[in-house]
Parts: sequence; structure tokens; C-alpha cells
Amino acid sequence: YTVTQSPSVSAAPGGTARITCEGNNIGSKSAHWYQQKPGQAPVLVMYDDNDRPSGIPERFSGSNSGNTATLTIAWVEAGDEADYYCQVWDTSSDYAVFGSGTKVTVL
Amino acid sequence: QVQLQESGPGLVKPSETLSLICTVTGDSVTSGSYYWSWIRESPRKGLEYMGYIHSSGRTNSNPSLKSRLTTSVDASKNQISLRLSSMTAADTAVYYCARYGAFEGLVYWGQGIPVTVSS
Repeated sequence: YTVTQSPSVSAAPGGTARITCEGNNIGSKSAHWYQQKPGQAPVLVMYDDNDRPSGIPERFSGSNSGNTATLTIAWVEAGDEADYYCQVWDTSSDYAVFGSGTKVTVL
Repeated sequence: QVQLQESGPGLVKPSETLSLICTVTGDSVTSGSYYWSWIRESPRKGLEYMGYIHSSGRTNSNPSLKSRLTTSVDASKNQISLRLSSMTAADTAVYYCARYGAFEGLVYWGQGIPVTVSS
């Protein structure tokens, strides 16, 4: 099972960044999203499609339907600049699969 | 609070075997229903899921690594371990251990350990 992310997304401060993760019938799986900044371990920012871990701002939201999962960052801030990875569990192979990552640039 | 800490060599020679240990505190590696996972990150591949040992003892690996990767647990020390054989330059990466739950994702991560393969 493979999931595909676009390499980059840019947004102006105060704008909206939408990061997509495409896979065959991904809507039937639980999608998770991670933020990774240079030199740091990834941080979970969205789990089970649209649940935010404690400490993650409400500006982060998620959806998952059909062949596309989406992470949306509203009111983008400079601190949101990072690589974002989607991840699902491939039930047929019984292990996790990551997308290739999307670099979010704040203009 | 669950914490994970990787330890091991930072430099491995080509063809050698990498051995890493992940020490877990705040949770038991044999309790619940969690996948104690190994993930690596490289500029070339981004995040790559390597494999896991489940709290039940079941293991599985990414097919791209299956013949080279071994994961195990030492319950008495609350540690999981990774062994990756026949290392090449392509295995140069930052290696992370993390805990995965089915509907919660990879919540807890170690800080990561950089490993370079070079003679």
C-alpha cells in the first residue's frame, strides 16, 4: 500500500495550508499526521483522521474520505514551517506506511 | 509520562550489523496492545517504517528490510532492540523507536540516534 503527498505547499502568514495524502480508499483507514522540524523527532499533530492530541492548536484540523486524507492548517504562523508526513496502517501487510512528506513553507 | 531513549553506536562499518536498544520508561513493553516500532529518517527517503515488536511478542518488518531486520524485547529491562545486518551507506539515517497504537498513531518517540555507515 502506498500513499502519495505533494512535495511542497506554501502559505502566507494568516493564510491556510492544505496538505493532502492520497491512497487507494484511504478513507477506510485511520490516518495520522506528523510534524517534523529540522533536527527534531516527529510530533503527532493529528490522529485517527481528525483528532488533535493535547497541546496541538485548534488551527490544525483533519479529514479523510475516499482516496484523500487532508491536514489543514488555518491561520498559518512562521512556527508551522516544517515537514509533514501522513501515515496509515497497511492491514494486508500488517505494518505502517508513511507518505513521502510535504514541506510547508511560510512565505 | 511514557519516554523512550535510543542507544547504540553512531558509526558502523559497511557489511557489519547495527545493534540498537530502546529503553522505555512510564510503560511496560509487554502490556496493552502496542506496536513498539523502529523508524528511520534519511534525506533520501524521509520517514521509513522499519518494523515492530508487538506487546504480545509478535514481530513484523517492512518487506524491503525483512531478511536483514530482527527486533526483540528484553522484558526484564523494559527494552526493545533492533539488529540490522549487512549495513551499507544507504542505511545511514537517524533511527527512532516509537510506540504505535491502532487509533492513536505514533504518540511517543525517542529523540533519535544518528547512525553513519562508513569505513
